[in-house]
Amino acid sequence: QSALTQPASVSGSPGQSITISCTGTSSDVGGYNFVSWFQQHPGKAPKLMIYDVSNRPSGVSNRFSGSKSGNTASLTISGLQAEDEADYYCSSYSSSNTHVVFGGGTKLTVL
Amino acid sequence: EVQLVESGGNLVQPGGSLRLSCAASGFTFSSYSMNWVRQAPGRGLEWVSYIGGTSSTIYYADSVRGRFTISRDNAKNSLYLQMNGLRAEDTAVYYCARSSGGSWWVSDFWGQGTLVTVSS
Repeated sequence: QSALTQPASVSGSPGQSITISCTGTSSDVGGYNFVSWFQQHPGKAPKLMIYDVSNRPSGVSNRFSGSKSGNTASLTISGLQAEDEADYYCSSYSSSNTHVVFGGGTKLTVL
Repeated sequence: EVQLVESGGNLVQPGGSLRLSCAASGFTFSSYSMNWVRQAPGRGLEWVSYIGGTSSTIYYADSVRGRFTISRDNAKNSLYLQMNGLRAEDTAVYYCARSSGGSWWVSDFWGQGTLVTVSS
């Protein structure tokens, strides 16, 4: 069982927007602005999409945005494209012995 | 271009040992902290271990503490993970990942991974 809770799947049509949630506790998501989001295509390595809640690394499309409220962080993808179909994982710094925790992943299907 | 290339994955029996390596290039290796993250087949990501640039700070996940040892050789631009007392639940693809400069908990570049299978 993963430390952070994500929906198993979400879907949307091309051009639409979707939001993936990531729920933790005050020891991780709620306690720090240190949430990251990763995209992983089948058989590929994860790719950093968002760090520290809402920052985009260089080269990542501005269609990807992040936010946080309380113990829940969110990743929003606007203007969905076929290439966005992938698994998405959230991650957070944690004050527990396990210093970095991940969510179980969300499979995004572009209809 | 940042490149991370893992090696050393293999089939090993329960209780056995294995040493993973990660060769880094395209950046000043000694200036960056590094992480190992694993992914069991069909499962999610799990952070395993962290090492600072000078090896003075090291962290482990509870699931591997006491069995795995992370290390690095900055002269060789290499990261290592010594895994002892391997269990079936350690079966996974192991990724080497670079920590973002200002935020060690963020892995900004990842290798392609190496598969470790623990089975009799």
